[in-house]
Amino acid sequence: QKEVEQNSGPLSVPEGAIASLNCTYSDRGSQSFFWYRQYSGKSPELIMSIYSNGDKEDGRFTAQLNKASQYVSLLIRDSQPSDSATYLCAVNAGGYQKVTFGIGTKLQVIP
Amino acid sequence: SAVISQKPSRDICQRGTSLTIQCQVDSQVTMMFWYRQQPGQSLTLIATANQGSEATYESGFVIDKFPISRPNLTFSTLTVSNMSPEDSSIYLCSVGAGAVGSEQYFGPGTRLTVT
Repeated sequence: QKEVEQNSGPLSVPEGAIASLNCTYSDRGSQSFFWYRQYSGKSPELIMSIYSNGDKEDGRFTAQLNKASQYVSLLIRDSQPSDSATYLCAVNAGGYQKVTFGIGTKLQVIP
Repeated sequence: SAVISQKPSRDICQRGTSLTIQCQVDSQVTMMFWYRQQPGQSLTLIATANQGSEATYESGFVIDKFPISRPNLTFSTLTVSNMSPEDSSIYLCSVGAGAVGSEQYFGPGTRLTVT
């Protein structure tokens, strides 16, 4: 059973702080890694994709991948109340393969 | 990313009836996917739909209960048959895209309540 593990939270951070969201996965053959943001009552929105070890930055978001440790993280700098949402980690074996989603971490940014 | 629409956005249905959910994409895509998301839970893949071939169902989901059509590269339907209250959920379609095809983009979802 291929699994993606996340702490469901909630993770509470003050406005302006760095939010750190973590994810581990069980399938060593995984090639593609994603972070989705899902606001309450809305569908998931892809915010970051990462395919190789290291960091990938996009604005206030940084995704980090460590395949040896089977670990993916998402850092959100200068957190804003509008970042309050559930963040889903997702993993697949590459190409048009099935994507497996974690349960998501609920982030609350406190003004 | 593709623009994806779903119809209906929500519905309330009687036990034992069927509902067909439509998913329309503004560009041609190879892969379309149907997910279910129950309250407070993550996404569960129901099936993968390729144009011109039978849908591939995940463990726990069967064609008689969730028949899927994929008549062309921009459209798919999911039918939820002989509904029970346990089928109350949000149903989402997504499309595979991106340079390596593994990125998925989601439609707005269909909120189904079965009474």
